[in-house]
Amino acid sequence: GDSVTQMEGPVTLSEEAFLTINCTYTATGYPSLFWYVQYPGEGLQLLLKATKADDKGSNKGFEATYRKETTSFHLEKGSVQVSDSAVYFCALGEGIQGAQKLVFGQGTRLTINP
Amino acid sequence: DGGITQSPKYLFRKEGQNVTLSCEQNLNHDAMYWYRQDPGQGLRLIYYSQIVNDFQKGDIAEGYSVSREKKESFPLTVTSAQKNPTAFYLCASSGGRGASQPQHFGDGTRLSIL
Repeated sequence: GDSVTQMEGPVTLSEEAFLTINCTYTATGYPSLFWYVQYPGEGLQLLLKATKADDKGSNKGFEATYRKETTSFHLEKGSVQVSDSAVYFCALGEGIQGAQKLVFGQGTRLTINP
Repeated sequence: DGGITQSPKYLFRKEGQNVTLSCEQNLNHDAMYWYRQDPGQGLRLIYYSQIVNDFQKGDIAEGYSVSREKKESFPLTVTSAQKNPTAFYLCASSGGRGASQPQHFGDGTRLSIL
Protein backbone atom coordinates (compact mmCIF):
# COMPACT_ATOMS: atom_id res chain seq x y z
CA GLY A 1 0.00 0.00 0.00
CA ASP A 2 0.88 3.67 -0.06
CA SER A 3 3.39 4.90 2.49
CA VAL A 4 5.32 7.97 3.61
CA THR A 5 8.79 7.98 5.13
CA GLN A 6 10.11 11.00 6.97
CA MET A 7 13.48 11.96 8.30
CA GLU A 8 13.75 10.73 11.87
CA GLY A 9 13.94 13.26 14.63
CA PRO A 10 14.33 14.94 16.86
CA VAL A 11 15.98 17.78 15.00
CA THR A 12 17.55 20.62 16.97
CA LEU A 13 18.75 23.81 15.31
CA SER A 14 19.77 27.30 16.29
CA GLU A 15 17.65 30.29 15.36
CA GLU A 16 18.24 31.53 11.78
CA ALA A 17 19.63 28.17 10.65
CA PHE A 18 18.53 26.51 7.40
CA LEU A 19 16.01 23.70 7.76
CA THR A 20 15.44 20.60 5.64
CA ILE A 21 13.13 17.76 6.67
CA ASN A 22 13.20 14.92 4.16
CA CYS A 23 10.05 13.14 3.02
CA THR A 24 9.69 10.38 0.45
CA TYR A 25 6.59 8.51 -0.55
CA THR A 26 5.38 5.35 -2.27
CA ALA A 27 2.09 5.53 -4.14
CA THR A 28 0.39 3.64 -6.93
CA GLY A 29 -1.60 6.62 -8.23
CA TYR A 30 -1.08 10.39 -8.38
CA PRO A 31 -1.55 11.62 -4.83
CA SER A 32 -1.59 15.13 -3.48
CA LEU A 33 1.15 15.87 -0.95
CA PHE A 34 0.88 17.83 2.28
CA TRP A 35 2.91 19.10 5.19
CA TYR A 36 1.05 19.51 8.47
CA VAL A 37 2.40 21.04 11.70
CA GLN A 38 1.38 20.13 15.26
CA TYR A 39 2.07 22.40 18.22
CA PRO A 40 2.08 20.89 21.74
CA GLY A 41 -1.35 19.71 22.89
CA GLU A 42 -3.05 20.74 19.68
CA GLY A 43 -4.37 19.19 16.50
CA LEU A 44 -2.70 19.40 13.12
CA GLN A 45 -2.65 22.52 10.97
CA LEU A 46 -2.09 22.51 7.23
CA LEU A 47 1.26 24.13 6.45
CA LEU A 48 1.39 23.70 2.66
CA LYS A 49 0.34 21.40 -0.14
CA ALA A 50 1.09 20.44 -3.74
CA THR A 51 -1.31 18.61 -5.99
CA LYS A 52 0.80 17.59 -8.99
CA ALA A 53 4.35 16.99 -10.11
CA ASP A 54 6.67 20.04 -10.04
CA ASP A 55 4.17 22.07 -7.97
CA LYS A 56 5.76 24.08 -5.18
CA GLY A 57 3.79 24.66 -2.01
CA SER A 58 4.79 27.57 0.23
CA ASN A 59 3.59 29.23 3.42
CA LYS A 60 5.18 31.22 6.28
CA GLY A 61 8.63 30.92 4.70
CA PHE A 62 8.39 27.12 4.32
CA GLU A 63 8.58 25.52 0.88
CA ALA A 64 8.31 22.03 -0.59
CA THR A 65 8.37 20.84 -4.21
CA TYR A 66 6.53 17.76 -5.49
CA ARG A 67 9.26 15.70 -7.18
CA LYS A 68 7.73 12.75 -9.02
CA GLU A 69 11.06 11.49 -10.36
CA THR A 70 12.49 11.09 -6.85
CA THR A 71 9.10 10.55 -5.12
CA SER A 72 10.01 13.25 -2.63
CA PHE A 73 8.46 16.30 -0.96
CA HIS A 74 11.20 17.74 1.26
CA LEU A 75 10.33 20.66 3.55
CA GLU A 76 12.72 23.63 3.63
CA LYS A 77 12.98 26.97 5.35
CA GLY A 78 15.81 29.43 4.93
CA SER A 79 15.88 30.89 8.44
CA VAL A 80 14.04 29.21 11.30
CA GLN A 81 12.62 30.90 14.37
CA VAL A 82 11.98 29.67 17.91
CA SER A 83 8.25 29.77 17.12
CA ASP A 84 8.80 27.07 14.44
CA SER A 85 9.39 24.48 17.17
CA ALA A 86 6.74 21.80 16.62
CA VAL A 87 6.19 18.36 15.13
CA TYR A 88 5.99 18.26 11.33
CA PHE A 89 4.10 15.57 9.41
CA CYS A 90 4.39 14.76 5.74
CA ALA A 91 1.29 13.13 4.24
CA LEU A 92 -0.07 11.96 0.94
CA GLY A 93 -3.73 12.20 0.07
CA GLU A 94 -5.76 10.06 -2.26
CA GLY A 95 -9.45 10.24 -3.11
CA ILE A 96 -11.66 7.48 -1.70
CA GLN A 97 -15.42 7.31 -2.26
CA GLY A 98 -16.05 11.03 -2.08
CA ALA A 99 -13.64 11.56 0.79
CA GLN A 100 -9.87 11.69 1.13
CA LYS A 101 -7.50 9.23 2.74
CA LEU A 102 -4.37 10.74 4.27
CA VAL A 103 -1.34 8.53 4.83
CA PHE A 104 1.06 10.12 7.32
CA GLY A 105 4.74 9.83 7.99
CA GLN A 106 5.77 9.27 11.60
CA GLY A 107 6.45 12.96 12.25
CA THR A 108 9.65 14.91 12.90
CA ARG A 109 10.02 16.88 16.12
CA LEU A 110 11.82 20.17 15.54
CA THR A 111 13.30 22.27 18.33
CA ILE A 112 14.78 25.71 17.63
CA ASN A 113 17.08 27.18 20.26
CA PRO A 114 17.50 30.96 20.60
CA ASP B 1 -15.00 31.40 13.50
CA GLY B 2 -15.52 28.12 11.66
CA GLY B 3 -13.77 25.08 12.97
CA ILE B 4 -13.87 21.69 14.61
CA THR B 5 -14.62 21.24 18.30
CA GLN B 6 -13.63 18.08 20.12
CA SER B 7 -14.68 17.31 23.66
CA PRO B 8 -13.65 16.50 26.25
CA LYS B 9 -9.97 17.42 26.06
CA TYR B 10 -9.06 14.66 28.54
CA LEU B 11 -11.01 11.47 29.18
CA PHE B 12 -10.45 8.53 31.48
CA ARG B 13 -11.89 5.08 30.94
CA LYS B 14 -12.29 2.24 33.38
CA GLU B 15 -11.72 -1.33 32.29
CA GLY B 16 -14.75 -2.76 30.46
CA GLN B 17 -16.33 0.64 29.89
CA ASN B 18 -17.40 2.24 26.62
CA VAL B 19 -16.66 5.95 26.17
CA THR B 20 -17.78 8.39 23.50
CA LEU B 21 -15.69 11.21 22.08
CA SER B 22 -17.52 14.17 20.61
CA CYS B 23 -16.66 15.94 17.35
CA GLU B 24 -18.63 18.87 15.96
CA GLN B 25 -17.83 21.01 12.89
CA ASN B 26 -19.38 24.22 11.55
CA LEU B 27 -17.42 24.29 8.30
CA ASN B 28 -20.27 22.78 6.29
CA HIS B 29 -17.96 19.95 5.25
CA ASP B 30 -19.40 16.70 3.94
CA ALA B 31 -16.53 14.40 4.91
CA MET B 32 -15.36 13.71 8.47
CA TYR B 33 -12.62 11.49 9.87
CA TRP B 34 -11.28 10.00 13.08
CA TYR B 35 -7.58 9.34 13.63
CA ARG B 36 -5.57 7.81 16.40
CA GLN B 37 -2.11 9.16 17.29
CA ASP B 38 0.36 7.21 19.41
CA PRO B 39 3.65 8.68 20.73
CA GLY B 40 6.32 8.95 18.05
CA GLN B 41 3.98 7.75 15.33
CA GLY B 42 1.96 9.29 12.60
CA LEU B 43 -1.81 9.34 12.55
CA ARG B 44 -3.79 6.24 11.64
CA LEU B 45 -7.31 6.34 10.21
CA ILE B 46 -10.03 4.72 12.34
CA TYR B 47 -13.25 5.61 10.47
CA TYR B 48 -14.38 8.13 7.91
CA SER B 49 -17.73 9.38 6.68
CA GLN B 50 -18.19 10.94 3.27
CA ILE B 51 -21.81 11.95 3.83
CA VAL B 52 -24.58 11.85 6.44
CA ASN B 53 -25.81 8.36 7.34
CA ASP B 54 -22.83 6.67 5.70
CA PHE B 55 -19.39 5.78 7.04
CA GLN B 56 -16.53 3.41 6.25
CA LYS B 57 -13.87 1.59 8.23
CA GLY B 58 -10.35 2.88 8.08
CA ASP B 59 -7.15 0.99 8.80
CA ILE B 60 -7.70 0.33 12.52
CA ALA B 61 -11.47 0.18 13.06
CA GLU B 62 -11.56 -2.83 15.41
CA GLY B 63 -12.86 -1.89 18.85
CA TYR B 64 -14.37 1.42 17.66
CA SER B 65 -17.78 2.50 16.39
CA VAL B 66 -19.16 5.72 14.89
CA SER B 67 -22.42 7.31 13.79
CA ARG B 68 -23.19 10.16 11.40
CA GLU B 69 -26.78 11.27 11.97
CA LYS B 70 -26.09 14.95 11.34
CA LYS B 71 -23.70 16.68 8.96
CA GLU B 72 -22.10 18.59 11.83
CA SER B 73 -21.47 15.69 14.17
CA PHE B 74 -19.35 12.52 14.02
CA PRO B 75 -19.00 10.92 17.50
CA LEU B 76 -16.56 8.07 18.11
CA THR B 77 -17.23 5.34 20.67
CA VAL B 78 -14.24 3.47 22.07
CA THR B 79 -15.66 0.12 23.13
CA SER B 80 -14.40 -2.33 25.73
CA ALA B 81 -13.22 -4.49 22.82
CA GLN B 82 -10.44 -1.99 22.15
CA LYS B 83 -7.68 -3.49 24.27
CA ASN B 84 -5.20 -0.64 24.01
CA PRO B 85 -7.27 2.56 23.90
CA THR B 86 -4.75 4.93 25.48
CA ALA B 87 -3.93 7.45 22.74
CA PHE B 88 -4.58 10.93 21.38
CA TYR B 89 -7.68 11.00 19.16
CA LEU B 90 -8.08 13.57 16.41
CA CYS B 91 -11.17 14.41 14.42
CA ALA B 92 -10.95 16.09 11.01
CA SER B 93 -13.19 17.24 8.18
CA SER B 94 -12.78 18.13 4.53
CA GLY B 95 -14.92 19.85 1.92
CA GLY B 96 -15.19 19.03 -1.75
CA ARG B 97 -14.12 15.81 -3.35
CA GLY B 98 -10.82 14.22 -4.19
CA ALA B 99 -7.29 14.00 -2.98
CA SER B 100 -6.37 17.69 -3.06
CA GLN B 101 -8.73 18.95 -0.35
CA PRO B 102 -6.86 19.59 2.90
CA GLN B 103 -8.29 18.25 6.10
CA HIS B 104 -9.07 20.55 9.03
CA PHE B 105 -8.35 19.13 12.48
CA GLY B 106 -9.74 19.61 15.96
CA ASP B 107 -7.50 19.97 19.02
CA GLY B 108 -7.90 16.34 20.03
CA THR B 109 -9.02 14.24 22.99
CA ARG B 110 -6.47 12.42 25.13
CA LEU B 111 -7.88 9.11 26.40
CA SER B 112 -6.29 7.26 29.31
CA ILE B 113 -7.13 4.07 31.17
CA LEU B 114 -7.70 4.16 34.92
